[in-house]
Amino acid sequence: EAGVTQSPTHLIKTRGQQATLRCSPISGHTSVYWYQQALGLGLQFLLWYDEGEERNRGNFPPRFSGRQFPNYGSELNVNALELEDSALYLCASSPFQEQFFGPGTRLTVL
Amino acid sequence: AQSVAQPEDQVNVAEGNPLTVKCTYSVSGNPYLFWYVQYPNRGLQFLLKYITGDNLVKGSYGFEAEFNKSQTSFHLKKPSALVSDSALYFCAVRHTSNTGKLIFGQGTTLQVKP
Repeated sequence: EAGVTQSPTHLIKTRGQQATLRCSPISGHTSVYWYQQALGLGLQFLLWYDEGEERNRGNFPPRFSGRQFPNYGSELNVNALELEDSALYLCASSPFQEQFFGPGTRLTVL
Repeated sequence: AQSVAQPEDQVNVAEGNPLTVKCTYSVSGNPYLFWYVQYPNRGLQFLLKYITGDNLVKGSYGFEAEFNKSQTSFHLKKPSALVSDSALYFCAVRHTSNTGKLIFGQGTTLQVKP
């Protein structure tokens, strides 16, 4: 069974630009979650999508947004990038209780 | 507020010895509890979960965890550590009311020395 996949692996942007990160869940999983793992801040919940709808979001500003496609894949968009957005962004999918994580996208903002 | 604490930043153990990585949680009601492991430059790998039932749960790679409701703890254990177990371990909790999000502890680095 293929796991959660994320692209790109690495992304380098400059301050003020926009970043788009993509995630493909495990086949059959309808829920997708996004987390930010920033140095010194640990793992923070960003967004939860299920059946194409945003179900919950964490304590992040509106410039963090996303969507879920009909095939349950998901996209995370970060607008007006700031230096502190540099982090590993992890996507997870879930059949019900546990969440299975992808390898992450390393976003670096210069 | 829900929270998870991993009181040790690092745990050092010799190969072949038993290991314990500690986790305590604070959540109202009945929690769902999880352990994940992260190797350098990788995502999180699911190890095990406690939902309900037996307080001792077994997971992947020989790991197990003991749920203690009175002490609000969920410590990760392994009877005999391997050098390859060296990694960053995260405890996480999810409230039974489904908000979707996992709340993670700050992580504990496990170092197993030969």
